[in-house]
Amino acid sequence: AQSVAQPEDQVNVAEGNPLTVKCTYSVSGNPYLFWYVQYPNRGLQFLLKYITGDNLVKGSYGFEAEFNKSQTSFHLKKPSALVSDSALYFCAVRGRNFNKFYFGSGTKLNVKP
Amino acid sequence: DSGVTQTPKHLITATGQRVTLRCSPRSGDLSVYWYQQSLDQGLQFLIQYYNGEERAKGNILERFSAQQFPDLHSELNLSSLELGDSALYFCASSVDGMLTYEQYFGPGTRLTVT
Repeated sequence: AQSVAQPEDQVNVAEGNPLTVKCTYSVSGNPYLFWYVQYPNRGLQFLLKYITGDNLVKGSYGFEAEFNKSQTSFHLKKPSALVSDSALYFCAVRGRNFNKFYFGSGTKLNVKP
Repeated sequence: DSGVTQTPKHLITATGQRVTLRCSPRSGDLSVYWYQQSLDQGLQFLIQYYNGEERAKGNILERFSAQQFPDLHSELNLSSLELGDSALYFCASSVDGMLTYEQYFGPGTRLTVT
């Protein structure tokens, strides 16, 4: 069965420190991978994606993510967190051979001043 | 602004009633997805339409139905509403092809069933 796991419900980081939000997946074949961010009472916003090519992808607002095929992971990273990064982050996967998107359960990122 | 619009923004109705949620995708996007987001169950994929045809089905109840019209807008119909149907309902659109699969989400419709 296809699935996405975000093992941490919450991540706490001090402003200026690097942050990592973890995502692992279980999908047959090579997946397409995505990160989204959701601010309170808003829809999800697309941050970045991995389709093919370089394993390190860069996205909006200084975020990046690394695709690791052997570990089936796609962790979201940022070198220096901002208080304004505090939000709910979702990892999502779509297989190359099927149309459904699978979203993780979300990780709440708290960046403290 | 994602370019995806959803109406209404809020909806309050009683159990047993029927409601219709509307979504207009981004210009040029052929694919529309519907999701339900509740506090305890995260983001649940309901259904996807592509250029007027159903393409994928998720955890959509039989009381729920959707369609996509020739102008590509979509409607999600929820009937025989129960208290547990109270949630945020999101629509998203995408190109869904040419290696462009990322979805753009609307602001959502908050449904409250009393």
